[in-house]
Amino acid sequence: QVQLQESGPRLVKPSETLSLTCSVSGGSVSGHYWSWIRQPPGKGLEYIGYIYYSGNTDYNPSLQSRVTLSVDTSRNQFSLNLSSMTAADTAVYYCARLEILGSNYHFDSWGQGTLVTVSS
Amino acid sequence: QSALTQPASVSGSPGQSITISCTGTRSDVGAYNYVSWYQQHPGKAPRLMIYDVTKRPSGVSNRFSGSKSGNTASLTISGLQAEDEADYYCCSFTTSGTRVFGGGTKLTVL
Repeated sequence: QVQLQESGPRLVKPSETLSLTCSVSGGSVSGHYWSWIRQPPGKGLEYIGYIYYSGNTDYNPSLQSRVTLSVDTSRNQFSLNLSSMTAADTAVYYCARLEILGSNYHFDSWGQGTLVTVSS
Repeated sequence: QSALTQPASVSGSPGQSITISCTGTRSDVGAYNYVSWYQQHPGKAPRLMIYDVTKRPSGVSNRFSGSKSGNTASLTISGLQAEDEADYYCCSFTTSGTRVFGGGTKLTVL
């Protein structure tokens, strides 16, 4: 069973760029879609985007100008860069696999999440 | 892309059934049968409970069922149990090719 683990800084200063990595074990990043989702404290889930192992991406329109996703098949991991961070970006960031189930793709495996706080 | 609309909270007693609604538009929920539901216990990652409106992944209890009418999808939990107490989120594929979540519903088992 595939397992995902987020890693990266827990504290980011305003205006800086957040860089998170999701390491995949028990399976390969190749042949799959991989996503990032975030959840501000006490609030709901927000889709950030996905990346296919070949590099194709989709981004939430509300974040598109600040988000870059990348994948490293040699390291079996994928990454999120979110620029111009503000306090509103404080959230638990989850990585997840988008897997084909039935007729479409759904988030079937999730990392445990990592809390990122934006503060000076 | 606006979040899908869910009630903030629902409650029920053990053994009862509850239904959580998820209202979107013709551009998301109403466009395709690609709605999924996620269960999230406090401090935990979400878990997929329903996909493609009505289908259950392996390992999910048949007490969980989904349906859709027009722009509104619904999750029904029958035979409520204490461990069902959690937050529930719907998610839909959209005509723009992206995905949108609902605001979440807190289920309390009385």
